[in-house]
Amino acid sequence: KQEVTQIPAALSVPEGENLVLNCSFTDSAIYNLQWFRQDPGKGLTSLLLIQSSQREQTSGRLNASLDKSSGRSTLYIAASQPGDSATYLCAVRGAYNAGNMLTFGGGTRLMVKP
Amino acid sequence: EAQVTQNPRYLITVTGKKLTVTCSQNMNHEYMSWYRQDPGLGLRQIYYSMNVEVTDKGDVPEGYKVSRKEKRNFPLILESPSPNQTSLYFCASSLWKLAGGRETQYFGPGTRLLVL
Repeated sequence: KQEVTQIPAALSVPEGENLVLNCSFTDSAIYNLQWFRQDPGKGLTSLLLIQSSQREQTSGRLNASLDKSSGRSTLYIAASQPGDSATYLCAVRGAYNAGNMLTFGGGTRLMVKP
Repeated sequence: EAQVTQNPRYLITVTGKKLTVTCSQNMNHEYMSWYRQDPGLGLRQIYYSMNVEVTDKGDVPEGYKVSRKEKRNFPLILESPSPNQTSLYFCASSLWKLAGGRETQYFGPGTRLLVL
């Protein structure tokens, strides 16, 4: 059974720092990996989706990498801002479990201090 | 605007009183799904549907029912709610390809349920 782990569980940084969030998964047979942002009281917003054949995806100050063989992904946030404060979730879509599309990690709660 | 909507957003009920949480999407997505989110357990899938009249169990289906009579709607039904179903519920939708890789999942805003 696929398991997804995110480290660290919580992170507090001063504004302007570059930071890396980590995600690892146990089964490398995946179709894609998706990073989400969750704000308190709100739903999940998709940030980046990386297909299994890709190594990385970029959107603005965000860059996500994928190393499928080692079961790892990282989300890099450049020049962090207080508005980046949120919980970040990674989720993988397994290649063989047709219906259970996404397995989520526990999330990293990020706080960026002004 | 492309979106997934859920109603109600907040609900307090009592044990045993049947309730329905509605979910609707306007993106013509085939795939829809329900998740619950609990502290320390993360998001877990309850039920999913790959198209109209096609539904199946996720990881934690006990105590829940769903139906998919129309493509845009996927209601979650709790026939006899219990306190252990107190949780934050999310509906999600996406395009569906069995051997795909590009299907971003879109999530609704969540429904916070308290069962007393």
